[in-house]
Amino acid sequence: GENVEQHPSTLSVQEGDSAVIKCTYSDSASNYFPWYKQELGKRPQLIIDIRSNVGEKKDQRIAVTLNKTAKHFSLHITETQPEDSAVYFCAALRPGYSTLTFGKGTMLLVSP
Amino acid sequence: GAGVSQSPRYKVAKRGQDVALRCDPISGHVSLFWYQQALGQGPEFLTYFQNEAQLDKSGLPSDRFFAERPEGSVSTLKIQRTQQEDSAVYLCASSDGTAFSGNTIYFGEGSWLTVV
Repeated sequence: GENVEQHPSTLSVQEGDSAVIKCTYSDSASNYFPWYKQELGKRPQLIIDIRSNVGEKKDQRIAVTLNKTAKHFSLHITETQPEDSAVYFCAALRPGYSTLTFGKGTMLLVSP
Repeated sequence: GAGVSQSPRYKVAKRGQDVALRCDPISGHVSLFWYQQALGQGPEFLTYFQNEAQLDKSGLPSDRFFAERPEGSVSTLKIQRTQQEDSAVYLCASSDGTAFSGNTIYFGEGSWLTVV
């Protein structure tokens, strides 16, 4: 089955710095890669996603890059703010399968 | 409703007790998913419904777990004879597309189950 590895498990940055979270996936047929943000005790919320026909996508301070050859994708957050502190999950979807496979999550802490 | 709604939000069950967790998806959403999220882990797939049809239940950990969506809207996840390892957050999610299309999946707040 699909296997998604996510690194780092925790990330501490100062406000204003950039943060990068990386994920690798095992099945080259996977074609949809969303990122979810989950605050403590809250629901996971989609923040950005990318499909396999695109190499990069940006939405304000958030960007995602995809390298299909290497089977990895990354989340980039610029100008981090304390409210960015949360757990971030990457995921991958294989065509014909019902479900997303999630990484184990990265706890991001942005210090003022 | 505006989002996916789950109840109860918190449930403490004694070992051996049966529990039922309810999910109200976003109105009109075809797809409904159940995930299990252990502390400090990512969501793990349990089962998937397309309307009332349960198309995939490969993630259900044992035959003590049962899910239904009889009218294609509200879904119930039932856990029989709960055990301590069942303690987790049970997340429900819905989507207006099919699972295979990569449409956005919207999550509920989850039902936190603690088995003592």
